[in-house]
Amino acid sequence: AQSVTQLGSHVSVSEGALVLLRCNYSSSVPPYLFWYVQYPNQGLQLLLKYTSAATLVKGINGFEAEFKKSETSFHLTKPSAHMSDAAEYFCAVSDRGGGNKLTFGTGTQLKVEL
Amino acid sequence: DTGVSQNPRHKITKRGQNVTFRCDPISEHNRLYWYRQTLGQGPEFLTYFQNEAQLEKSRLLSDRFSAERPKGSFSTLEIQRTEQGDSAMYLCASIPLSGDTQYFGPGTRLTVL
Repeated sequence: AQSVTQLGSHVSVSEGALVLLRCNYSSSVPPYLFWYVQYPNQGLQLLLKYTSAATLVKGINGFEAEFKKSETSFHLTKPSAHMSDAAEYFCAVSDRGGGNKLTFGTGTQLKVEL
Repeated sequence: DTGVSQNPRHKITKRGQNVTFRCDPISEHNRLYWYRQTLGQGPEFLTYFQNEAQLEKSRLLSDRFSAERPKGSFSTLEIQRTEQGDSAMYLCASIPLSGDTQYFGPGTRLTVL
């Protein structure tokens, strides 16, 4: 069984500050890992994904994440927060051998302050 | 590529009524998924189809829920005898057979009064 843990349900940063959203996963097989962003009353938009290529993955809007097998982590970072980054962020793991269904974390609400 | 579409976007119903949601996946995407998202939680897997075949159903999908994808294109999710606990956002996603990334629709928000 797979699972995802997102530490910190709410994260608040100042505009221009580093964004760090934490994600740890549990998987019995080499995972596919994803970060999605959700704006209010909207669906999920893919930010980036790890599918066993480079461990440092770059995504849209200046976000990146690093897959660390030894730490079972896939933390999301952005060097400089922008007001438009305020949203909810979900980390997810895919059971690529079982239909690619996603198991999501509980999400982290990012607030960006002036 | 027009994206995944879902209708209606919002549905308000009274407890005990039946509701049906529709999902139109990205054209030629073989796999289609349904998830449910309650307030403050991440989406939870409900079921998925490969073409018209329903290959897996979650334990969350009680016997009041039924999903179909009759021609391997659009899908419907029906909830019979709705309960207040069914209030949630219902999300649909699709993926090509050889792909690894699910593309999500905007969701249908269900409110059961």
